[in-house]
Amino acid sequence: SYELPQPLSVSVALGQTARITCGGNNIENKYVHWYQQKPGQAPVLVIYRDSSRPSGIPERFSGSNSGNAATLTISRAQAGDEADYYCQIWDNSTYVFGTGTTVTVL
Amino acid sequence: QVQLVQSGSELKKPGASVKVSCKASGYTFSAYAVNWVRQAPGQGLEWMGWININTGNPTYAQGFTGRFVFSLDTSVTTAYLQINSLKAEDTAVYYCARERVTLSNAIDIWGQGTMVVVSS
Repeated sequence: SYELPQPLSVSVALGQTARITCGGNNIENKYVHWYQQKPGQAPVLVIYRDSSRPSGIPERFSGSNSGNAATLTISRAQAGDEADYYCQIWDNSTYVFGTGTTVTVL
Repeated sequence: QVQLVQSGSELKKPGASVKVSCKASGYTFSAYAVNWVRQAPGQGLEWMGWININTGNPTYAQGFTGRFVFSLDTSVTTAYLQINSLKAEDTAVYYCARERVTLSNAIDIWGQGTMVVVSS
């Protein structure tokens, strides 16, 4: 089955840029979605179809997908961006979630 | 307001059954599939499968066949997850979630989650 490894954790200084990768064989051929999950809360969709933002999601969140990795970029990181982030694809009629990355804002 | 509202936390003994409800409101219930996602304590998201609201046909992911049952009551726009013969390893938060085919199968609405604890 398809696997989506992510780094366990990413740290970013307040106001700087965080990048979270989501690996997968030829992942560029699939649409990647990203979810933010804060402690005790349900996930929230922050990026869909590689790089599109749902309404209400700040422009500081952006996404890209090329080769064997998709990337979620958080610009001008804020304390409120501290959360777990998961990538997700739809592969062979199956949802696959990434392993998840904890983002810490220093 | 589009939302999925789930039933409250459950504490069950091993071997018992539990039924989690997920009530949809604010949208046409039949237009979107409902998926179920499990999150064990301190772990990531795990897709359990989905149910076709129009046909009631469920699809179960690997590892979620046999004891897990998805069902519907369209008259009250509610989806259900039943877990039979509960085991300690079923302890988790269970989410229902709305799938958006037009967003390339992204999940755009999540229920608030239902904590199920299995303990003797």
